[in-house]
Amino acid sequence: AQSVTQPDIHITVSEGASLELRCNYSYGATPYLFWYVQSPGQGLQLLLKYFSGDTLVQGIKGFEAEFKRSQSSFNLRKPSVHWSDAAEYFCAVGGNRDDKIIFGKGTRLHILP
Amino acid sequence: NAGVMQNPRHLVRRRGQEARLRCSPMKGHSHVYWYRQLPEEGLKFMVYLQKENIIDESGMPKERFSAEFPKEGPSILRIQQVVRGDSAAYFCASADRMDQPQHFGDGTRLSIL
Repeated sequence: AQSVTQPDIHITVSEGASLELRCNYSYGATPYLFWYVQSPGQGLQLLLKYFSGDTLVQGIKGFEAEFKRSQSSFNLRKPSVHWSDAAEYFCAVGGNRDDKIIFGKGTRLHILP
Repeated sequence: NAGVMQNPRHLVRRRGQEARLRCSPMKGHSHVYWYRQLPEEGLKFMVYLQKENIIDESGMPKERFSAEFPKEGPSILRIQQVVRGDSAAYFCASADRMDQPQHFGDGTRLSIL
């Protein structure tokens, strides 16, 4: 069955520190992978996506993610976080034959000044 | 997010009333998806529609919920005889093709008194 696991419900980092949010997926074919960010009271904004090709994907706002097929992972990283990065982050998986995206339960990121 | 328009942003209903949530997809997008988000949960797929057709409603409760995407006008998610458990944020997303990233609206927050 298709699923997405985000092991960390909450993550707290200091402003300026590096960040890694974990995502593991289960999918029967080549996955399409996504990271979305949601600010309070807002919808979801696409940060980046992986469809094929280079396994290191660059996104908006200085984020990147690396697809590791052997580990079924698609972790999100940022070298130096800003206070404005505080939000909830969702990993999602889909496929070219699928009509829906499966979302993880999200990781809420808190930034310490 | 600005491209997908949802209204109203907030909707309050009493138990037993009907709720109608509207979604206008991004220009040029003919694929519409509805998701429900509960506190501390990720987004749960409800239904996928193309113009005038329901493609996949596997995530939709069998009773009281219905969705449409007419040839003209917005997509409508309709909840009849609402109950307290229907309180949630409902998000609409659109895409120009099934295998392309979905763009989300800012959601409708439904509260049931």
